[in-house]
Amino acid sequence: GQQVQQSPTSLVLQEGENAELQCNFSTSLNSMQWFYQRPGGSLISVFYNPSGTKQSGRLTSTTVIKERRSSLHISSSQITDSGTYLCAPASSGSWQLIFGSGTQLTVMP
Amino acid sequence: EAAVTQSPRSKVAVTGGKVTLSCHQTNNHDYMYWYRQDTGHGLRLIHYSYVADSTEKGDIPDGYKASRPSQENFSLILELASLSQTAVYFCASSGTGGNQDTQYFGPGTRLLVL
Repeated sequence: GQQVQQSPTSLVLQEGENAELQCNFSTSLNSMQWFYQRPGGSLISVFYNPSGTKQSGRLTSTTVIKERRSSLHISSSQITDSGTYLCAPASSGSWQLIFGSGTQLTVMP
Repeated sequence: EAAVTQSPRSKVAVTGGKVTLSCHQTNNHDYMYWYRQDTGHGLRLIHYSYVADSTEKGDIPDGYKASRPSQENFSLILELASLSQTAVYFCASSGTGGNQDTQYFGPGTRLLVL
């Protein structure tokens, strides 16, 4: 079946450090979304990025369709960035999102 | 701002009992979804709907039914709750199909089946 691999599984940073989160997909994809989830909380859309690079504040998402991967870069991390980041690609020919298991980010003071 | 609400926010059910989870959206979105999330895992799609009075099966529909009586409301029904259905359930909505538009999620319902 379709596989979504996120790496790293968990990441601990000191406040101010940068983070690079990766998402790889086993088959060709046609879109990619990134979501943020606080512990016990709901999901909030961070990026809808089917291809190319998008930036929003300290967050940058890059999706390379041909290589079946996407990344989320967080610069100058803050304590409030702590939580789980989930990627959700959709495979070619499908509208359905397939969610990864997430990267749990902890930013320490 | 898009708004998706769910009720109840948490529930304890007995094995074999009936459970109904409700979702309401004020986004005027056509698409609505029910997902479940198990500890340490991503979300899996149970049922979805793209128009009122019609529902479709997702990846894991067994043991669940869905109902979309209106554009705004989407319910998930567990006719005979089982231990394996203990999870957090999320409802979401989007204007178009999931890969073409941002999905907006509700706060989740934490279900414990004993």
